[in-house]
Amino acid sequence: GAVVSQHPSWVICKSGTSVKIECRSLDFQATTMFWYRQFPKQSLMLMATSNEGSKATYEQGVEKDKFLINHASLTLSTLTVTSAHPEDSSFYICSAPGQGVSEAFFGQGTRLTVV
Amino acid sequence: GEDVEQSLFLSVREGDSSVINCTYTDSSSTYLYWYKQEPGAGLQLLTYIFSNMDMKQDQRLTVLLNKKDKHLSLRIADTQTGDSAIYFCAENHNQGGKLIFGQGTELSVKP
Repeated sequence: GAVVSQHPSWVICKSGTSVKIECRSLDFQATTMFWYRQFPKQSLMLMATSNEGSKATYEQGVEKDKFLINHASLTLSTLTVTSAHPEDSSFYICSAPGQGVSEAFFGQGTRLTVV
Repeated sequence: GEDVEQSLFLSVREGDSSVINCTYTDSSSTYLYWYKQEPGAGLQLLTYIFSNMDMKQDQRLTVLLNKKDKHLSLRIADTQTGDSAIYFCAENHNQGGKLIFGQGTELSVKP
């Protein structure tokens, strides 16, 4: 099946710094990717839809200036958490739509801890 | 609006069947999915069902869909300790790949 690779798997950063998370579709092209956030013991909440070559679409309540999304190519989307704070600590997961069946392939997720 | 609900916990003994239930509100969903998440890991697609189907079986997994009641269930036969994980049901929101997830059901399998 299709593979989505997310990097890094985990990262620890200091408050006030920025962290970039990459999401790559390895064997297919993705004009759209999705970024989710998951708090412990909770469901995945869609943060934004990343669109290749155009601006991302953010869900209500998500700060676009804090969570910068760039989708520069058909196989790569990045999420940058700017000026990170401890409350940004979470599990971030990206996904890309598959071909054929309307499904999504998920990356492994990135555990972000802000200290 | 969109809403997907699941019970939070299920505990079964090894070898028994597990049934995880899910209800959803968006009647326009065309596909419904079951994902498995092991601790600290991403999501693994287990199975999916198209909205015009009532049932789908795939080895130990059986998905039942009651579209009238907007109820989806996942049955795992002969549950093993390796099946312990969180199971999410999800519906697509008519925008290929954009999924709405339930809260997840934590399945605990006791030997």
